Amino acid sequence: DTGVSQDPRHKITKRGQNVTFRCDPISEHNRLYWYRQTLGQGPEFLTYFQNEAQLEKSRLLSDRFSAERPKGSFSTLEIQRTEQGDSAMYLCASSSPLSGGIMNTEAFFGQGTRLTVV
Amino acid sequence: RKEVEQDPGPFNVPEGATVAFNCTYSNSASQSFFWYRQDCRKEPKLLMSVYSSGNEDGRFTAQLNRASQYISLLIRDSKLSDSATYLCVVNGEGTALIFGKGTTLSVSS
Repeated sequence: DTGVSQDPRHKITKRGQNVTFRCDPISEHNRLYWYRQTLGQGPEFLTYFQNEAQLEKSRLLSDRFSAERPKGSFSTLEIQRTEQGDSAMYLCASSSPLSGGIMNTEAFFGQGTRLTVV
Repeated sequence: RKEVEQDPGPFNVPEGATVAFNCTYSNSASQSFFWYRQDCRKEPKLLMSVYSSGNEDGRFTAQLNRASQYISLLIRDSKLSDSATYLCVVNGEGTALIFGKGTTLSVSS
């Protein structure tokens, strides 16, 4: 399977614990995005990377959230001291660079990690 | 003003109906526009890109009005399988894909 892969698919954790999610993008894609989605809402942008550079992180929900992509391949999203309000689906997507003068870049999503904080 | 705003749903239509979704965006520098489809408990998937001149893909037609910062999606001859949430997505240069909240379509027989 050459699609975007996320691990784990489901995570139940106790309030106050730290959690880390992993995303493996499509191999030739250099852009990687993290989103959070709650019921009835569209995906909420958190952060994204171009290769290993994190280009925007101001939208991370709080300083408890951090993301890395150390070698420009897979990425991790960590939430420290989880709260019940962090319960959501965390989606990762990847896209290829702009090419051939085509500005549109389709992003492919993984199936997400569903986090439940109890 | 929110970055990407969509018609509130849900839209409930019979099979064969024509339905239109609207979307407005706030960043006049945005360069790329998309409609994504999301089925219940699934990840979003690209439905179609939206080009300045407008574009059509079978029963689906997308339009862009840069002056009004407005995007639309028209679905003709609705099928039961079109039932889903439709997400308007805007990409500005140097920024990521920003999604609207989505509009839910329910097509009934």
